[in-house]
Amino acid sequence: DTAVSQTPKYLVTQMGNDKSIKCEQNLGHDTMYWYKQDSKKFLKIMFSYNNKELIINETVPNRFSPKSPDKAHLNLHINSLELGDSAVYFCASSQNRGPNEKLFFGSGTQLSVL
Amino acid sequence: DQQVKQNSPSLSVQEGRISILNCDYTNSMFDYFLWYKKYPAEGPTFLISISSIKDKNEDGRFTVFLNKSAKHLSLHIVPSQPGDSAVYFCAASGEGGGSQGNLIFGKGTKLSVKP
Repeated sequence: DTAVSQTPKYLVTQMGNDKSIKCEQNLGHDTMYWYKQDSKKFLKIMFSYNNKELIINETVPNRFSPKSPDKAHLNLHINSLELGDSAVYFCASSQNRGPNEKLFFGSGTQLSVL
Repeated sequence: DQQVKQNSPSLSVQEGRISILNCDYTNSMFDYFLWYKKYPAEGPTFLISISSIKDKNEDGRFTVFLNKSAKHLSLHIVPSQPGDSAVYFCAASGEGGGSQGNLIFGKGTKLSVKP
């Protein structure tokens, strides 16, 4: 069983569309994250949720809205997609919050905006 | 501004030899450092970590060294195996690591171990 699973793996869409990426973890972790790996290969945090509560919200456009229906799920909805949103998006989870926590990542969603 | 730098985008090593991957950081508030390994089409997986109170941590073939005065850490893999071929990300966290102390990642170094 995959510990952190995200769907879809690939997403190709037109500018202006709205899309969602889903993430689920079966590790019983309390904290979930969304990371973005851009064309320069940096992995940057976007959001962090702890027990369904938003903890970290880095400088991300309002078009990006995370939703956590329960602590095992953290979905990412993106409105009005732009060319610059093309990237690989990784979901991750950790047992707790805190800088020493080990993150478990999903396999990524490659988003291409045309 | 890159707080975590991996200046070598790639490294090629012969099987059985030592691989040394380097990482520099700029923020003296970082107090915990991690290495992640990433295969193509997969997410990063945790490899090894070190707290700033230590200067060395070893786990099997993998050893991480931390030089706080130089703000430098390195990952040693010995002996290197073809299965070690992957992208290795250095990450740091602590009071200076962004909001809530989240991880700050480097750009990664692609290691190729040739048989």
